[in-house]
Amino acid sequence: DAGVIQSPRHEVTEMGQEVTLRCKPISGHNSLFWYRQTMMRGLELLIYFNNNVPIDDSGMPEDRFSAKMPNASFSTLKIQPSEPRDSAVYFCASRLTSGVYTGELFFGEGSRLTVL
Amino acid sequence: ILNVEQSPQSLHVQEGDSTNFTCSFPSSNFYALHWYRWETAKSPEALFVMTLNGDEKKKGRISATLNTKEGYSYLYIKGSQPEDSATYLCAFPSNDYKLSFGAGTTVTVRA
Repeated sequence: DAGVIQSPRHEVTEMGQEVTLRCKPISGHNSLFWYRQTMMRGLELLIYFNNNVPIDDSGMPEDRFSAKMPNASFSTLKIQPSEPRDSAVYFCASRLTSGVYTGELFFGEGSRLTVL
Repeated sequence: ILNVEQSPQSLHVQEGDSTNFTCSFPSSNFYALHWYRWETAKSPEALFVMTLNGDEKKKGRISATLNTKEGYSYLYIKGSQPEDSATYLCAFPSNDYKLSFGAGTTVTVRA
């Protein structure tokens, strides 16, 4: 299996621009997570989906952030407008089954975002 | 947000030495405890998922123990090697199945 695939790997943009990060989970996985890694907060959960439905988006920083999962094989995280404080590495992870406490997460390689 | 704490934040180990570090989590409403290994420039990978009090898991030179009553887990590295250098994360699922990660313990093994 190809694993969780994220794109772009690196994005440099200017403040105010729209940023879209993409994720393809492992085929057959029912849960998808978006995390943000920062020096201050470590791995911070932004939102997670079960069977394409957003379950908890309480970690989304503000209205500038939105996430969608139109089908089982694709998710996007959008920031509009972007700000320098959004600079971080954004990770997508998927899990085989929803509704379990023991399912391990499989992470993508991350998207490093730099907002100038 | 669940309070998952790891200590120490970082440690340096001489090659060949053994080491251990701690993950503390809420002892009430325990469901499972996850350990992940995160090497620099890579993504986190699962090491262990533990569910039973007193459980011990082992993978090569790395092992973990679990005490659900007092709310802690130890990760041990026996005979550390340079390739063990990584950040080790523990994660605790909440009742809605999402995983909250600790800040991690960064291990640097010196040759």
